[in-house]
Amino acid sequence: EAGVAQSPRYKIIEKRQSVAFWCNPISGHATLYWYQQILGQGPKLLIQFQNNGVVDDSQLPKDRFSAERLKGVDSTLKIQPAKLEDSAVYLCASSLAGLAGASNPYEQYFGPGTRLTVT
Amino acid sequence: GQNIDQPTEMTATEGAIVQINCTYQTSGFNGLFWYQQHAGEAPTFLSYNVLDGLEEKGRFSSFLSRSKGYSYLLLKELQMKDSASYLCAKPANQGGKLIFGQGTELSVKP
Repeated sequence: EAGVAQSPRYKIIEKRQSVAFWCNPISGHATLYWYQQILGQGPKLLIQFQNNGVVDDSQLPKDRFSAERLKGVDSTLKIQPAKLEDSAVYLCASSLAGLAGASNPYEQYFGPGTRLTVT
Repeated sequence: GQNIDQPTEMTATEGAIVQINCTYQTSGFNGLFWYQQHAGEAPTFLSYNVLDGLEEKGRFSSFLSRSKGYSYLLLKELQMKDSASYLCAKPANQGGKLIFGQGTELSVKP
């Protein structure tokens, strides 16, 4: 079974530029999560989708971050404009949460992440 | 709130046993996850405890006390490859949102 795919793996941009990250979750997983992980810290949830609807975006800085999951499968996270403090690893994860009968809906499977450096 | 506290770093010797503790506020959904994260890699699932007690899985065991808001991860027969960050995480909503601790950086030395 293929895992969660993310691209690009690395990105370096200057502040005030824009950047987009792409995620393809595990096939059949209804819920998709985007996390931001700053060096030395645990992942922090930015946004959670169930199918193509937003479940939780309470910690998404909406003035500069946006995300979509139009067809309930792939997702894109965008930052515009980027700031120095956005330098982090952006992790995408997926889970069976939202699917009836799922044995462990809370277990999340993570992609390799995109390491963003803003200079 | 969902404050999760775990030590920032620990050091142990190859072949030894180490216990990594995690405490959290007992509100919301029960259950606790442990993930392992090697440097530069994504977190990988280790365990999920939803009931009180100890669950053993090979060299790794995880314990939960829901009333005390306390969990620990026990690693036996430590190997050099166990050097990693260990993240404790708690479900925060019905949709599976996880709140992570800052992670415990474990260094295993010869």
